Amino acid sequence: AQTVTQSQPEMSVQEAETVTLSCTYDTSESNYYLFWYKQPPSRQMILVIRQEAYKQQNATENRFSVNFQKAAKSFSLKISDSQLGDTAMYFCAFTGYEKLTFGTGTRLTIIP
Amino acid sequence: DTAVSQTPKYLVTQMGNDKSIKCEQNLGHDTMYWYKQDSKKFLKIMFSYNNKELIINETVPNRFSPKSPDKAHLNLHINSLELGDSAVYFCASSPRERGAQETQYFGPGTRLLVL
Repeated sequence: AQTVTQSQPEMSVQEAETVTLSCTYDTSESNYYLFWYKQPPSRQMILVIRQEAYKQQNATENRFSVNFQKAAKSFSLKISDSQLGDTAMYFCAFTGYEKLTFGTGTRLTIIP
Repeated sequence: DTAVSQTPKYLVTQMGNDKSIKCEQNLGHDTMYWYKQDSKKFLKIMFSYNNKELIINETVPNRFSPKSPDKAHLNLHINSLELGDSAVYFCASSPRERGAQETQYFGPGTRLLVL
């Protein structure tokens, strides 16, 4: 069974600083995808970034980037120049062949 | 235009009632999903349909019955509502049959409160 672990229930950082959210996963599959979703107070689930396991290059989307360490089964999210609008729950998610499995989330607060 | 829409957004009802939540996607996707997010924010898949065919059915009570009249719609009917059913229910869709490896796009969620 696949599992996703987010070991930081809550984090806070000053506006404009950089923050890294951790995620580890466990799977026996070789072909899979990893995602970070953001859930602001509006509760909408918003895709932040996606990484295909077969790609060695780390995905980036503007201020968001990942550090994908396949051997260590680690998939951390780095947010640069954090903004107040980044305040949200962040979920790491894994999918192999069957279904999307979510971690328990990290509540990120950006402090003005 | 909203890509994945759900109605209603809020639902307050008494224990024992039957209720339905509707979901529609206008993305042309083949696969649709229902997720439940509990009070601790944990998200878990309940069902998945591909082109009106059930492909994932997690260990969900029989009181929950998904219905897909066409590939753009996936409704969730809940019988005999219980207090523990209170949660946020999300609908999602993804492009192809092997939808699990595709990005899933989520609806705005329906907050269900059972009194």
